[in-house]
Amino acid sequence: AQSVTQLDSHVSVSEGTPVLLRCNYSSSYSPSLFWYVQHPNKGLQLLLKYTSAATLVKGINGFEAEFKKSETSFHLTKPSAHMSDAAEYFCVVLYNQGGKLIFGQGTELSVKP
Amino acid sequence: ETGVTQTPRHLVMGMTNKKSLKCEQHLGHNAMYWYKQSAKKPLELMFVYNFKEQTENNSVPSRFSPECPNSSHLFLHLHTLQPEDSALYLCASSHYTEAFFGQGTRLTVV
Repeated sequence: AQSVTQLDSHVSVSEGTPVLLRCNYSSSYSPSLFWYVQHPNKGLQLLLKYTSAATLVKGINGFEAEFKKSETSFHLTKPSAHMSDAAEYFCVVLYNQGGKLIFGQGTELSVKP
Repeated sequence: ETGVTQTPRHLVMGMTNKKSLKCEQHLGHNAMYWYKQSAKKPLELMFVYNFKEQTENNSVPSRFSPECPNSSHLFLHLHTLQPEDSALYLCASSHYTEAFFGQGTRLTVV
């Protein structure tokens, strides 16, 4: 079955330190992968997406993600966390066969001063 | 602005009311989705439509009734809801490598 797993339900970092949010997906030919952020009581905002071009994808607000096919992973990183990064982050995979859009469970990022 | 528009943005309804949520996209996408996001719970996929045909129904109670009259519009008809149905309802559309989400409808059942 097609699935997306976010390995951490909650991540806590200090301001100015690196962020790593992990995402693994079940293997499929040419999936498209996305990271979205959701601030409290807000809708989803697209951070970045991978669609079979460069494996290192740069997004907004200094976030990056690397597509690793051999590991079926798409981890999200940021070199230096900011207080405004505190939010819920979702890894989403679009399986092109059958048009299925699947969410990970979400990772809540807390940023301490 | 993502290209997927949901209306209304907020809705308060009584348990005996009937209301509908609307989702609209003119992106040429062939798949459309309804998700439910309750407080402190993972996002739940409710329904999927591909080329106007329902391809997935994740054991959603019959008080939620989807309708996809054409590839640009998706509705979620609501009747006799329960307070636990209060949530953010998100619509999405996708096509090949693209996927976009609406801003959601915040539903409160009183």
